[in-house]
Amino acid sequence: DAKTTQPPSMDCAEGRAANLPCNHSTISGNEYVYWYRQIHSQGPQYIIHGLKNNETNEMASLIITEDRKSSTLILPHATLRDTAVYYCIVRVGPYNNNDMRFGAGTRLTVKP
Amino acid sequence: DVKVTQSSRYLVKRTGEKVFLECVQDMDHENMFWYRQDPGLGLRLIYFSYDVKMKEKGDIPEGYSVSREKKERFSLILESASTNQTSMYLCASSFQGAKGYEQYFGPGTRLTVT
Repeated sequence: DAKTTQPPSMDCAEGRAANLPCNHSTISGNEYVYWYRQIHSQGPQYIIHGLKNNETNEMASLIITEDRKSSTLILPHATLRDTAVYYCIVRVGPYNNNDMRFGAGTRLTVKP
Repeated sequence: DVKVTQSSRYLVKRTGEKVFLECVQDMDHENMFWYRQDPGLGLRLIYFSYDVKMKEKGDIPEGYSVSREKKERFSLILESASTNQTSMYLCASSFQGAKGYEQYFGPGTRLTVT
């Protein structure tokens, strides 16, 4: 699986957009980009995933560059409850086993 | 709602004890996973299972074993607990195939080995 690089921490003002970058320069053609987040004292929670097109759901938007070497998770109007560790994962699939490898992630702090 | 439950939120064991961590899911998921989480290291995959009685090693299986006798239950076993196994343990489950992009996690068990 391709390796991902994320900044260890970021701050964002409440109500503003939070843009979390992820570099995956060695991604291959059949690998998807997945995002999860982990709020303190809870298990990780799935946010969104994509292959090459931009994706949007009720939680966030995922922008993948044309060369697929990097992506950005966008939380359009960050709230204090979005303070969490955000994980970017690159993985072939979804397929049978669906095992994920979580790195250290980015700790996002949303400030009032 | 999907529910993944773990037998204990907090557990304290002594070095050398045999420890069982239990995980149960109620969504008929084929896949189940065990992770440990340590500060600065993120989540690391210990073992996973894609079917009853099937298991696959993850990245750090040493010192652990697993058991999956029923589809809904996946147990992590520390045969002889050691202090370096003090950690947060997280269980997860998912469907296989195209529906399996989302793993559902339990609340975690914080294990302290003294």
